[in-house]
Amino acid sequence: DAGVIQSPRHEVTEMGQEVTLRCKPISGHNSLFWYRQTMMRGLELLIYFNNNVPIDDSGMPEDRFSAKMPNASFSTLKIQPSEPRDSAVYFCASSPWAQGGYTFGSGTRLTVV
Amino acid sequence: KQEVTQIPAALSVPEGENLVLNCSFTDSAIYNLQWFRQDPGKGLTSLLLIQSSQREQTSGRLNASLDKSSGRSTLYIAASQPGDSATYLCAPLLGSSNTGKLIFGQGTTLQVKP
Repeated sequence: DAGVIQSPRHEVTEMGQEVTLRCKPISGHNSLFWYRQTMMRGLELLIYFNNNVPIDDSGMPEDRFSAKMPNASFSTLKIQPSEPRDSAVYFCASSPWAQGGYTFGSGTRLTVV
Repeated sequence: KQEVTQIPAALSVPEGENLVLNCSFTDSAIYNLQWFRQDPGKGLTSLLLIQSSQREQTSGRLNASLDKSSGRSTLYIAASQPGDSATYLCAPLLGSSNTGKLIFGQGTTLQVKP
C-alpha cells in the first residue's frame, strides 16, 4: 500500500492566488481528514469526511477555505484567495472507519508570500 | 471542548535511559487514543493505538497505557536510543457512533544524546 498520498509536497504562491492541495487516501478507508500544523497552534483539524460526505467543517478558518471529496479516492482543499497567514503544513489523513487508527500523508508545506 | 496537555514539553536524556511521556485530556468520553511520532519536517507516524476498552498496548520498546476515567495516558520508552529523537504526539479520538476526530496535544520533543 502506498499510504496516503498528498501533492504537491511544497507550494510557494503569491498572496491573492488560488491554491489547491490534493489528497489520495488509502484504498478502502472511509474517513478522510484535513489538518493544518503551525508552530503557534500545533495540529488543528480543519474538516473531515465520512464516506465522501463532510461531517464537521467547524475547523475551517474562513470562507476562503473549501474542501471537496468527489469520490472515495480523492479530496482537495482549496484556498482562494490565499494570504500569508495561511502559510503552514497541511496534512491529510485517512482511517478505515470513523473510530479507526489514522494514517497521515507526508504533508504539503504551503508558503504564501 | 477537548483539551490535551503533554508533559514535559521537551526532554533531553542520555542514551539508554527509560522514559515516561505524559498526556492528559479533559473529556474522558473517547473511543481510543493514538500516539504518533513526528520527525522534523516530516509527517506523523503512528506508534500505538489503544482502544478505550484496553489498558495498554506494546510495540517493541514502546508501551502505552490508558486510564480513561482519569483522562491520562503515558508512553513508556525503554532503553532510549538517539534514533528515538523526535516529537511525540498524543491524540485522543472523540466521536459518536459513526463519527470521530483526533484532537492533538502540543507534543513532547525528545532528544536522546549518544
